[in-house]
Amino acid sequence: DTGVSQNPRHKITKRGQNVTFRCDPISEHNRLYWYRQTLGQGPEFLTYFQNEAQLEKSRLLSDRFSAERPKGSFSTLEIQRTEQGDSAMYLCASSLRQGEAAEAFFGQGTRLTVV
Amino acid sequence: AQSVTQLGSHVSVSEGALVLLRCNYSSSVPPYLFWYVQYPNQGLQLLLKYTTGATLVKGINGFEAEFKKSETSFHLTKPSAHMSDAAEYFCAVSDWAGNQFYFGTGTSLTVIP
Repeated sequence: DTGVSQNPRHKITKRGQNVTFRCDPISEHNRLYWYRQTLGQGPEFLTYFQNEAQLEKSRLLSDRFSAERPKGSFSTLEIQRTEQGDSAMYLCASSLRQGEAAEAFFGQGTRLTVV
Repeated sequence: AQSVTQLGSHVSVSEGALVLLRCNYSSSVPPYLFWYVQYPNQGLQLLLKYTTGATLVKGINGFEAEFKKSETSFHLTKPSAHMSDAAEYFCAVSDWAGNQFYFGTGTSLTVIP
C-alpha cells in the first residue's frame, strides 16, 4: 500500500461543467475526509465518512457538491455546474479510528481550475 | 468550537539557525494537536502529533513541539535549519473523536543559504 491516492492530479474544466474526483484511501482506514485548499490558505473541511456513512458536512459544501463512499472503500467528490470560485486544490485524507483520534494521512490532491 | 492561529505567515531563517513556528489553539475540549508540512503541489505530511501524556513531542526530520496548556500553544521548533526544510507548515487541532481537523492558515518557511 502506497498511501492515499487521488485522481486526477489536475483538472481544467469550463464553467458550468460537472467534474468528479476519486480518492482511494489507505486500505484499512475507516475514516475518509475531503478538504479544500485555496492559495495561501490552510485546508478547509468539507465532509467526512466513517466507513460508508457520511457523518458530517461543512456549510462550505453547497448543494452543487456531493460526495459518496460506496462500500466504505474509495470515495468520489462531484461538483456540478462548476464556478470559477470552485478553483482550488481538493485534498483527500484517511485515518484509522480505533478509539481516540489518529492522524490523517493526505493524498497529493487534485488541483481544479475552472476557466 | 476549535480553531488554530499561526502567527507569521512567512518566516525566514539562515541555514543552521533555530526554526520557531508559532501555533496557538482554541478548544473547548482537550485538544489533539498536529503539525503538517506541505511541499509545492503536494499533499500534507505529518511531522508530529500530541494526544496525551508527555508534552514535548518529537517528530520527523528533527522537529519537535511542546504543548503548553497554560499558553494554549503548540510551537514547532528545530535546532538547526536545513535547506530542505523550506516548505509550508500547518498546525491543526482535533478533538478526541477526530471528527474534523481544523487547520491554521499556514507558515511559509524560507531557509537562506
